[in-house]
Amino acid sequence: EPEVTQTPSHQVTQMGQEVILRCVPISNHLYFYWYRQILGQKVEFLVSFYNNEISEKSEIFDDQFSVERPDGSNFTLKIRSTKLEDSAMYFCASSEKVWGIFGPGTRLTVL
Amino acid sequence: AQSVTQLDSQVPVFEEAPVELRCNYSSSVSVYLFWYVQYPNQGLQLLLKYLSGSTLVKGINGFEAEFNKSQTSFHLRKPSVHISDTAEYFCAVSSPSGGYQKVTFGTGTKLQVIP
Repeated sequence: EPEVTQTPSHQVTQMGQEVILRCVPISNHLYFYWYRQILGQKVEFLVSFYNNEISEKSEIFDDQFSVERPDGSNFTLKIRSTKLEDSAMYFCASSEKVWGIFGPGTRLTVL
Repeated sequence: AQSVTQLDSQVPVFEEAPVELRCNYSSSVSVYLFWYVQYPNQGLQLLLKYLSGSTLVKGINGFEAEFNKSQTSFHLRKPSVHISDTAEYFCAVSSPSGGYQKVTFGTGTKLQVIP
């Protein structure tokens, strides 16, 4: 069964550093998403991406965040200057139509 | 705007007992409803989904859920739980809009199965 993969599984970074989280969506899916889950809290929508552009983003997704599909297979989330409060589990998801298949997540720890 | 309310943050239940995890949603348009499960230190796995048709939806691992439009509910049930069902369960809602979908999650219910 096809699955969404994410790398790395765990990323530790210093505050102020840039991080790039990578995702490989399911190949025939057209919609891509990033969500995050701060420890002990609910899963929150960050951004959706379709046809090589952002289709919707939440209030969380400010100028520090960007997404890209650099090569037709990877889907990346970049955080330009990480803050302590960016520590969370970040989930990538992709969908063909109406529901998302989620990846296993990347745990980001900002020190 | 859409929202999901999971009334119980934690549900302890003895092994082999039945369980119901409650979920209510709010949306001004038609909805798709989902239950996801998250095992400790793992990602989100789709348990079941309601898109249309029969209001009783069967999912993996013996779980089922019933869509009740009048009560705006989508409660998850299992007749007999196992230790391996210990996990956090998230109810989620989406509405088709502009060709893409954004899923809104509830706050989650931690199911603790007691041996």
